[in-house]
Amino acid sequence: DGGITQSPKYLFRKEGQNVTLSCEQNLNHDAMYWYRQDPGQGLRLIYYSQIVNDFQKGDIAEGYSVSREKKESFPLTVTSAQKNPTAFYLCASSIAASDKAFFGQGTRLTVV
Amino acid sequence: GIQVEQSPPDLILQEGANSTLRCNFSDSVNNLQWFHQNPWGQLINLFYIPSGTKQNGRLSATTVATERYSLLYISSSQTTDSGVYFCAVEPGTYKYIFGTGTRLKVLA
Repeated sequence: DGGITQSPKYLFRKEGQNVTLSCEQNLNHDAMYWYRQDPGQGLRLIYYSQIVNDFQKGDIAEGYSVSREKKESFPLTVTSAQKNPTAFYLCASSIAASDKAFFGQGTRLTVV
Repeated sequence: GIQVEQSPPDLILQEGANSTLRCNFSDSVNNLQWFHQNPWGQLINLFYIPSGTKQNGRLSATTVATERYSLLYISSSQTTDSGVYFCAVEPGTYKYIFGTGTRLKVLA
């Protein structure tokens, strides 16, 4: 099936550890996005990539890093510099930037 | 930056009722989408509607870009319609900005 796969679904980490969230798509989309959602809140953009080997910061990029070495993959690393990393993380993709976006099922990260 | 506000913030309906959700945005946009987030967190794309009116079954949406708002209509609501509805706008910056959401609960 075509779609966006995020893994793992649930992730627990100790404070001070870096953690990488996976996002893979087989839709042949050029653009990919990472959003963060806190309980009862809307989605905030962390990073986005319009094309392979290129990415831009979103509204809340501090404490996060990404790479886009392959068209189908856009991993997000939550570093120890992120003050409040516990959240629900959603990855999305679209054929091109600003086109119709499709979302993965999300990763719930809990840092203890 | 652009502000996106949705109303009402919370809505409780009896099964079978109709409702209208509103999305206001503070600046011109190139694109607009409506999403439904189910209780498990999955975001489902409902409409891609930068302007005009579209219908899909019991749902329809209208965007009046010149007046900076969009409406999502839900008719004959069902319990499976429960969840959070988001609108997201793209103001020409190649990234979507999400609204605050409307939390809908449909009672059987």
